[in-house]
Amino acid sequence: RKEVEQDPGPFNVPEGATVAFNCTYSNSASQSFFWYRQDCRKEPKLLMSVYSSGNEDGRFTAQLNRASQYISLLIRDSKLSDSATYLCVVSISGNTPLVFGKGTRLSVIA
Amino acid sequence: SAVISQKPSRDICQRGTSLTIQCQVDSQVTMMFWYRQQPGQSLTLIATANQGSEATYESGFVIDKFPISRPNLTFSTLTVSNMSPEDSSIYLCSASTGLRQPQHFGDGTRLSIL
Repeated sequence: RKEVEQDPGPFNVPEGATVAFNCTYSNSASQSFFWYRQDCRKEPKLLMSVYSSGNEDGRFTAQLNRASQYISLLIRDSKLSDSATYLCVVSISGNTPLVFGKGTRLSVIA
Repeated sequence: SAVISQKPSRDICQRGTSLTIQCQVDSQVTMMFWYRQQPGQSLTLIATANQGSEATYESGFVIDKFPISRPNLTFSTLTVSNMSPEDSSIYLCSASTGLRQPQHFGDGTRLSIL
Protein backbone atom coordinates (compact mmCIF):
# COMPACT_ATOMS: atom_id res chain seq x y z
CA ARG A 1 0.00 0.00 0.00
CA LYS A 2 1.33 3.42 -0.92
CA GLU A 3 2.00 5.88 1.89
CA VAL A 4 -0.34 8.54 0.49
CA GLU A 5 -3.02 7.75 -2.05
CA GLN A 6 -5.24 10.08 -4.03
CA ASP A 7 -7.72 9.70 -6.83
CA PRO A 8 -5.80 11.09 -9.83
CA GLY A 9 -8.92 12.46 -11.50
CA PRO A 10 -9.35 14.49 -13.56
CA PHE A 11 -12.39 16.03 -11.95
CA ASN A 12 -14.23 18.17 -14.48
CA VAL A 13 -16.82 20.37 -12.79
CA PRO A 14 -18.87 23.42 -13.82
CA GLU A 15 -18.30 26.80 -12.23
CA GLY A 16 -20.16 27.10 -8.94
CA ALA A 17 -20.06 23.40 -8.19
CA THR A 18 -18.87 21.86 -4.95
CA VAL A 19 -16.09 19.32 -5.32
CA ALA A 20 -14.45 17.05 -2.76
CA PHE A 21 -11.06 15.37 -2.89
CA ASN A 22 -10.11 12.42 -0.77
CA CYS A 23 -6.76 11.16 0.40
CA THR A 24 -5.76 8.15 2.49
CA TYR A 25 -2.50 7.59 4.31
CA SER A 26 -0.99 4.33 5.50
CA ASN A 27 0.90 5.25 8.67
CA SER A 28 -1.33 5.71 11.70
CA ALA A 29 1.46 7.59 13.49
CA SER A 30 1.38 10.43 10.95
CA GLN A 31 1.17 13.81 12.65
CA SER A 32 1.05 16.63 10.11
CA PHE A 33 -1.17 16.99 7.08
CA PHE A 34 -1.36 19.56 4.32
CA TRP A 35 -3.04 20.32 1.03
CA TYR A 36 -0.94 21.88 -1.70
CA ARG A 37 -2.00 23.31 -5.02
CA GLN A 38 0.10 23.06 -8.17
CA ASP A 39 -0.77 25.00 -11.30
CA CYS A 40 0.39 23.73 -14.67
CA ARG A 41 4.15 24.29 -15.11
CA LYS A 42 4.42 25.95 -11.71
CA GLU A 43 5.79 24.91 -8.34
CA PRO A 44 3.54 23.43 -5.61
CA LYS A 45 2.18 25.99 -3.19
CA LEU A 46 0.80 25.40 0.28
CA LEU A 47 -2.99 25.74 0.22
CA MET A 48 -3.73 24.92 3.84
CA SER A 49 -2.70 22.81 6.79
CA VAL A 50 -5.18 20.22 8.04
CA TYR A 51 -6.01 20.22 11.73
CA SER A 52 -7.64 17.48 13.78
CA SER A 53 -10.77 19.54 14.36
CA GLY A 54 -11.08 20.42 10.70
CA ASN A 55 -10.48 23.89 9.36
CA GLU A 56 -11.90 26.29 6.84
CA ASP A 57 -10.36 29.02 4.73
CA GLY A 58 -12.96 30.84 2.67
CA ARG A 59 -14.37 28.38 0.15
CA PHE A 60 -11.98 25.65 1.20
CA THR A 61 -12.60 23.17 4.02
CA ALA A 62 -10.13 20.51 5.12
CA GLN A 63 -11.01 17.59 7.36
CA LEU A 64 -9.02 14.83 9.02
CA ASN A 65 -10.33 11.46 10.17
CA ARG A 66 -7.56 9.78 12.12
CA ALA A 67 -9.52 6.60 12.76
CA SER A 68 -9.96 6.01 9.04
CA GLN A 69 -6.61 7.60 8.11
CA TYR A 70 -8.40 9.84 5.69
CA ILE A 71 -8.09 13.50 4.71
CA SER A 72 -10.48 15.50 2.60
CA LEU A 73 -10.57 18.86 0.86
CA LEU A 74 -13.88 20.47 -0.05
CA ILE A 75 -14.08 23.36 -2.48
CA ARG A 76 -17.35 25.24 -2.59
CA ASP A 77 -18.55 27.55 -5.37
CA SER A 78 -15.74 26.48 -7.73
CA LYS A 79 -14.05 29.18 -9.79
CA LEU A 80 -12.22 28.81 -13.08
CA SER A 81 -9.08 29.84 -11.20
CA ASP A 82 -9.39 26.76 -8.97
CA SER A 83 -8.29 24.59 -11.90
CA ALA A 84 -5.07 22.96 -10.75
CA THR A 85 -3.65 19.77 -9.30
CA TYR A 86 -4.27 19.32 -5.57
CA LEU A 87 -1.64 17.43 -3.64
CA CYS A 88 -2.26 15.66 -0.35
CA VAL A 89 0.86 15.81 1.84
CA VAL A 90 1.57 13.88 5.04
CA SER A 91 4.33 13.86 7.63
CA ILE A 92 4.86 10.15 8.25
CA SER A 93 7.33 10.65 11.08
CA GLY A 94 9.59 13.23 12.66
CA ASN A 95 12.61 11.62 11.03
CA THR A 96 11.59 11.60 7.38
CA PRO A 97 10.56 14.28 4.90
CA LEU A 98 6.96 14.99 3.98
CA VAL A 99 5.35 12.49 1.63
CA PHE A 100 3.53 13.99 -1.34
CA GLY A 101 0.60 12.26 -2.97
CA LYS A 102 0.48 12.10 -6.74
CA GLY A 103 -2.25 14.73 -6.83
CA THR A 104 -5.79 15.07 -8.09
CA ARG A 105 -6.35 17.20 -11.15
CA LEU A 106 -9.31 19.58 -11.15
CA SER A 107 -10.70 21.38 -14.18
CA VAL A 108 -13.43 23.94 -13.57
CA ILE A 109 -15.39 24.60 -16.73
CA ALA A 110 -17.35 27.73 -17.62
CA SER B 1 6.88 32.02 4.54
CA ALA B 2 10.41 31.95 3.14
CA VAL B 3 11.06 33.21 -0.36
CA ILE B 4 13.09 30.72 -2.38
CA SER B 5 14.96 31.59 -5.57
CA GLN B 6 16.39 29.10 -8.02
CA LYS B 7 18.90 29.67 -10.78
CA PRO B 8 18.85 29.01 -13.65
CA SER B 9 15.12 28.96 -14.33
CA ARG B 10 15.70 26.86 -17.44
CA ASP B 11 18.53 25.46 -19.50
CA ILE B 12 19.18 23.31 -22.53
CA CYS B 13 22.26 21.16 -22.18
CA GLN B 14 24.28 18.72 -24.22
CA ARG B 15 24.44 15.05 -23.36
CA GLY B 16 27.37 14.20 -21.11
CA THR B 17 27.69 17.65 -19.54
CA SER B 18 26.87 18.69 -15.98
CA LEU B 19 24.76 21.55 -14.65
CA THR B 20 24.65 23.06 -11.19
CA ILE B 21 21.37 24.50 -9.93
CA GLN B 22 21.44 27.05 -7.13
CA CYS B 23 18.81 27.54 -4.45
CA GLN B 24 18.80 30.63 -2.23
CA VAL B 25 16.42 31.17 0.70
CA ASP B 26 15.82 34.64 2.09
CA SER B 27 15.96 33.43 5.71
CA GLN B 28 17.70 30.71 7.66
CA VAL B 29 15.89 27.39 7.39
CA THR B 30 16.48 24.07 9.06
CA MET B 31 15.66 21.80 6.15
CA MET B 32 16.28 22.02 2.42
CA PHE B 33 15.24 19.43 -0.16
CA TRP B 34 15.67 18.71 -3.84
CA TYR B 35 12.91 17.18 -5.98
CA ARG B 36 12.48 16.14 -9.56
CA GLN B 37 9.21 16.31 -11.47
CA GLN B 38 8.69 14.97 -14.97
CA PRO B 39 5.98 16.79 -16.98
CA GLY B 40 2.56 15.63 -15.85
CA GLN B 41 4.04 13.44 -13.14
CA SER B 42 4.26 13.63 -9.38
CA LEU B 43 7.11 14.99 -7.28
CA THR B 44 10.02 12.66 -6.58
CA LEU B 45 12.32 13.47 -3.68
CA ILE B 46 15.97 13.26 -4.68
CA ALA B 47 17.62 14.11 -1.36
CA THR B 48 17.61 16.14 1.83
CA ALA B 49 20.41 18.71 1.81
CA ASN B 50 22.11 18.70 5.21
CA GLN B 51 24.03 21.72 6.37
CA GLY B 52 27.65 20.85 6.99
CA SER B 53 27.37 17.16 6.11
CA GLU B 54 26.58 14.85 3.21
CA ALA B 55 23.08 14.91 1.78
CA THR B 56 20.63 12.10 2.54
CA TYR B 57 19.64 10.47 -0.74
CA GLU B 58 16.43 8.62 -1.51
CA SER B 59 16.38 5.20 -3.07
CA GLY B 60 17.40 5.38 -6.72
CA PHE B 61 19.49 8.53 -6.38
CA VAL B 62 23.24 8.58 -5.73
CA ILE B 63 25.77 11.21 -4.84
CA ASP B 64 27.92 10.64 -7.92
CA LYS B 65 25.01 11.52 -10.19
CA PHE B 66 23.44 14.26 -8.05
CA PRO B 67 26.07 15.85 -5.82
CA ILE B 68 24.55 18.34 -3.39
CA SER B 69 26.13 21.05 -1.33
CA ARG B 70 24.72 23.03 1.56
CA PRO B 71 27.38 25.31 2.96
CA ASN B 72 25.04 27.31 5.20
CA LEU B 73 21.42 27.63 6.33
CA THR B 74 20.25 29.67 3.35
CA PHE B 75 21.91 28.14 0.29
CA SER B 76 22.16 24.80 -1.50
CA THR B 77 23.22 23.52 -4.90
CA LEU B 78 22.27 20.43 -6.87
CA THR B 79 24.50 19.24 -9.70
CA VAL B 80 23.09 16.96 -12.38
CA SER B 81 26.15 15.12 -13.64
CA ASN B 82 26.89 13.43 -16.97
CA MET B 83 23.43 14.29 -18.23
CA SER B 84 21.37 12.14 -20.56
CA PRO B 85 17.96 12.84 -22.13
CA GLU B 86 16.36 10.88 -19.27
CA ASP B 87 17.44 13.67 -16.92
CA SER B 88 15.18 16.15 -18.73
CA SER B 89 12.84 17.31 -16.01
CA ILE B 90 11.90 20.10 -13.66
CA TYR B 91 14.14 20.28 -10.61
CA LEU B 92 12.66 21.92 -7.52
CA CYS B 93 14.24 23.14 -4.33
CA SER B 94 12.19 23.43 -1.15
CA ALA B 95 12.76 24.54 2.42
CA SER B 96 11.08 24.13 5.77
CA THR B 97 11.66 24.84 9.43
CA GLY B 98 11.31 21.17 10.37
CA LEU B 99 10.46 17.73 8.98
CA ARG B 100 6.85 18.02 10.15
CA GLN B 101 6.45 21.57 8.88
CA PRO B 102 5.15 22.56 5.43
CA GLN B 103 7.73 22.97 2.71
CA HIS B 104 7.91 26.02 0.49
CA PHE B 105 9.19 25.65 -3.04
CA GLY B 106 11.32 27.59 -5.43
CA ASP B 107 9.87 28.12 -8.90
CA GLY B 108 11.93 25.31 -10.38
CA THR B 109 14.59 24.75 -13.02
CA ARG B 110 13.39 23.35 -16.34
CA LEU B 111 16.16 21.24 -17.77
CA SER B 112 16.25 19.79 -21.28
CA ILE B 113 19.07 17.54 -22.46
CA LEU B 114 19.68 17.11 -26.16
